[in-house]
Amino acid sequence: GAVVSQHPSRVICKSGTSVKIECRSLDFQATTMFWYRQFPKQSLMLMATSNEGSKATYEQGVEKDKFLINHASLTLSTLTVTSAHPEDSSFYICSALRDRANTGELFFGEGSRLTVL
Amino acid sequence: AQSVSQHNHHVILSEAASLELGCNYSYGGTVNLFWYVQYPGQHLQLLLKYFSGDPLVKGIKGFEAEFIKSKFSFNLRKPSVQWSDTAEYFCAVSNTGGFKTIFGAGTRLFVKA
Repeated sequence: GAVVSQHPSRVICKSGTSVKIECRSLDFQATTMFWYRQFPKQSLMLMATSNEGSKATYEQGVEKDKFLINHASLTLSTLTVTSAHPEDSSFYICSALRDRANTGELFFGEGSRLTVL
Repeated sequence: AQSVSQHNHHVILSEAASLELGCNYSYGGTVNLFWYVQYPGQHLQLLLKYFSGDPLVKGIKGFEAEFIKSKFSFNLRKPSVQWSDTAEYFCAVSNTGGFKTIFGAGTRLFVKA
């Protein structure tokens, strides 16, 4: 149990376009999800905390108008990279906290590699 | 500032060798400590965790970790590694409830058969 799925796993887009990445908890409810960005040979950098039914909480230095997060249901959070540029190319990973488990354990998606041409 | 430091970026071992991966953290208040593992082509998944109680915790696949509060450390150990342990290992720290989890840079382990 406790599976998190991300889609798409890979996406290539042209500069200036927008890209949406979905993160779904398949077999549990997740009021809280997290979005990370991972640069080569570096750690996961927390971008924002996604809260179901309310606005996301962004980390310092992350542009909220650039990285739009929507958490419309207890099983789905989306990250939209707006007007993407080559510097936005990266590996984006989501994770979810399982509601009522209160263990602090995170369940991760498989990641989405974005390449902006 | 909150941070997690992993001492080794790359480790290469032969099968049956012992493993110890270092992890030190800087984080205020009560902490939860985790080791996550990412096998090639797979999701990150939990290896083991410490919340309270016995500072020596055991996880899956024969891994264990020891929380030493005075040293702000949570080192990962395995007495005898196998080829299948080849993966990337991440140390992580969070406050109670799992919010604001901070990750180390990761350690890539390669085990030679």
